[in-house]
Amino acid sequence: GAVVSQHPSRVICKSGTSVKIECRSLDFQATTMFWYRQFPKQSLMLMATSNEGSKATYEQGVEKDKFLINHASLTLSTLTVTSAHPEDSSFYICSATVGRGVDEAFFGQGTRLTVV
Amino acid sequence: LAKTTQPISMDSYEGQEVNITCSHNNIATNDYITWYQQFPSQGPRFIIQGYKTKVTNEVASLFIPADRKSSTLSLPRVSLSDTAVYYCLVGDRNEKLTFGTGTRLTIIP
Repeated sequence: GAVVSQHPSRVICKSGTSVKIECRSLDFQATTMFWYRQFPKQSLMLMATSNEGSKATYEQGVEKDKFLINHASLTLSTLTVTSAHPEDSSFYICSATVGRGVDEAFFGQGTRLTVV
Repeated sequence: LAKTTQPISMDSYEGQEVNITCSHNNIATNDYITWYQQFPSQGPRFIIQGYKTKVTNEVASLFIPADRKSSTLSLPRVSLSDTAVYYCLVGDRNEKLTFGTGTRLTIIP
């Protein structure tokens, strides 16, 4: 299957700083990318849907000014957690699709964010 | 998006066949059933997808009865490396993926 790469795999930052997470589709062009957040022992929670060249669509309850998403090209989407706080500590996962169907969703390896 | 219900956890011994059932009573005509596997600290991995009857690939089989209100993921001869969380998702192929609680499968040596 296709490869989606996330970077970094883990990051520790100080409270109040911003952190950028990259999601790249390595061998295909992703028309749509999704960002999820997962707390320990819980399921993935969809945060936003990102389409290349347009503004992201955020799920209810997700602050768009806090979680900035940029999908500048068909192979790269970034999630920036601004003014991070300890409660933002979580596992962030991206996925990318080629737009042909549910079975074409490929996930990155995730980013473990710890805010201290 | 059809809501799904799965057992929260299951245990099985190595070498056994494991069947995980997912209920989706409100499945719509255009919905497909897709299963993902997730290991700790990793992103989910696609296992199998089906619409009706039976689908089989190199890692699993998916059984879907005629009314499509449930589905069963079958893992043949599991090993310790199959310990993971398994998610059943139901939706139209153009929809965003929404994950339910999943089933935490533990394989016992």
